[in-house]
Amino acid sequence: DAKTTQPTSMDCAEGRAANLPCNHSTISGNEYVYWYRQIHSQGPQYIIHGLKNNETNEMASLIITEDRKSSTLILPHATLRDTAVYYCIVRVNGANSKLTFGKGITLSVRP
Amino acid sequence: KAGVTQTPRYLIKTRGQQVTLSCSPISGHRSVSWYQQTPGQGLQFLFEYFSETQRNKGNFPGRFSGRQFSNSRSEMNVSTLELGDSALYLCASSPFPGTENTEAFFGQGTRLTVV
Repeated sequence: DAKTTQPTSMDCAEGRAANLPCNHSTISGNEYVYWYRQIHSQGPQYIIHGLKNNETNEMASLIITEDRKSSTLILPHATLRDTAVYYCIVRVNGANSKLTFGKGITLSVRP
Repeated sequence: KAGVTQTPRYLIKTRGQQVTLSCSPISGHRSVSWYQQTPGQGLQFLFEYFSETQRNKGNFPGRFSGRQFSNSRSEMNVSTLELGDSALYLCASSPFPGTENTEAFFGQGTRLTVV
């Protein structure tokens, strides 16, 4: 079973920041938080991951709470092309490559 | 660098037939994982191969099998197809299984329709 809980859907206006929440209250100390997204009819795309520190790359920022029970993916300036299903996944690195996907959150960016 | 290549992109098969799907990982990647995506069940892990060995397997019947070749290319096979096997089959590659800073790169998938 997926170890994360995400809202079913959300929307935001183009050009605004999109803040996607994720709860992972049972996360273990050695589990990382990963975010992937899947644009319609394409394979999932890696976005970002982190353990306990906040992370930023060219696509997004990941904010992890101090107790690590939740996190937020931030798309700073959402575009129409960011409309997709976003998956929050927790995973132990070093064990295997298996990703357990939940239902994800559908982000709709409106013009 | 070329991405993950899956062939064919689309496939239509009849119930009872068998099918083989192919995945070529990114050059230098040695781990290949397979996933099934359906509207009802979402994305589900099938199995993972590394160095020609199956390292991990999901909860699927024995009709689903796979293998990996010495060049890291992988195939998955589904025998005695059922209507419920209609799905998007996705392949993901990574350099080494589950190591630090090793995200998985997915292909575009093979859309299998069983009629």
